[in-house]
Amino acid sequence: DARVTQTPRDKVTEMGQEVTMRCQPILGHNTVFWYRQTMMQGLELLAYFRNRAPLDDSGMPKDRFSAEMPDATLATLKIQPSEPRDSAVYFCASGLAPGFVDEQFFGPGTRLTVL
Amino acid sequence: ILNVEQSPQSLHVQEGDSTNFTCSFPSSNFYALHWYRWETAKSPEALFVMTLNGDEKKKGRISATLNTKEGYSYLYIKGSQPEDSATYLCARPSDYKLSFGAGTTVTVRA
Repeated sequence: DARVTQTPRDKVTEMGQEVTMRCQPILGHNTVFWYRQTMMQGLELLAYFRNRAPLDDSGMPKDRFSAEMPDATLATLKIQPSEPRDSAVYFCASGLAPGFVDEQFFGPGTRLTVL
Repeated sequence: ILNVEQSPQSLHVQEGDSTNFTCSFPSSNFYALHWYRWETAKSPEALFVMTLNGDEKKKGRISATLNTKEGYSYLYIKGSQPEDSATYLCARPSDYKLSFGAGTTVTVRA
C-alpha cells in the first residue's frame, strides 16, 4: 500500500529556530506539492515540483521558507527563522504529471508549533 | 490560479437525512474536477475524479455529478451518518497543480 510519508509528525520549536520538514513521495510519482492548512483558506499551496524541478513557489514567504527536492525520494520544506505565525499543519502530496485525471495523494502532515 | 468556489461553507445535517452541496469552477479549458474528503485531524483523500460532462460517480452513499458547460458539480450524501462528518474539497487542475475550493464542512448530528 503505497503512501506519502512525512517526518516529523509533530514539531514544537521556539521562535527563531530552523525547522526542516521532510516528505517521501510515492515511488513513481513525479509531482510533489507542499500545502499549509489554514483556517481561512483551507489548503494553501506553498510550492510544487515536477520531475524534481520547482515549478512554482510563489505561495510561500521567500525570505524564510525554502523548498527543495534533492532526489526523487525526498522533498524538504525549511523555515528559517521560524515565527509563531508559521504554526500550522503542513501537508505534502504527490501525484503524476500532468495530473489532470490523476488524484493527489496526501501525507499525514507535520503539525508545527512555534512558541 | 483558477477560482474554485464551494457553497455552502458549512452545513449541519441530521443523521439519516440526505444533503448536497456545490462546487463552481471556470468552464473554459476543462480537463477534470476532483473531489476530496478531509476528516478532522487527518489528511485529504480523493473521492472522485470526473472528466465528462454529465458524468456521475458513486462511492457508497456519496455521489457526484458534473456539468462542465456551466461549470458546476454537486456532491450528494444519502442517509448521512456521523462518519460522513468532514470537509469536502473540490479542485480543478491547471498548470500541473490543483486549485482547491475552500471546502464545505459537513457535520452530521446523531
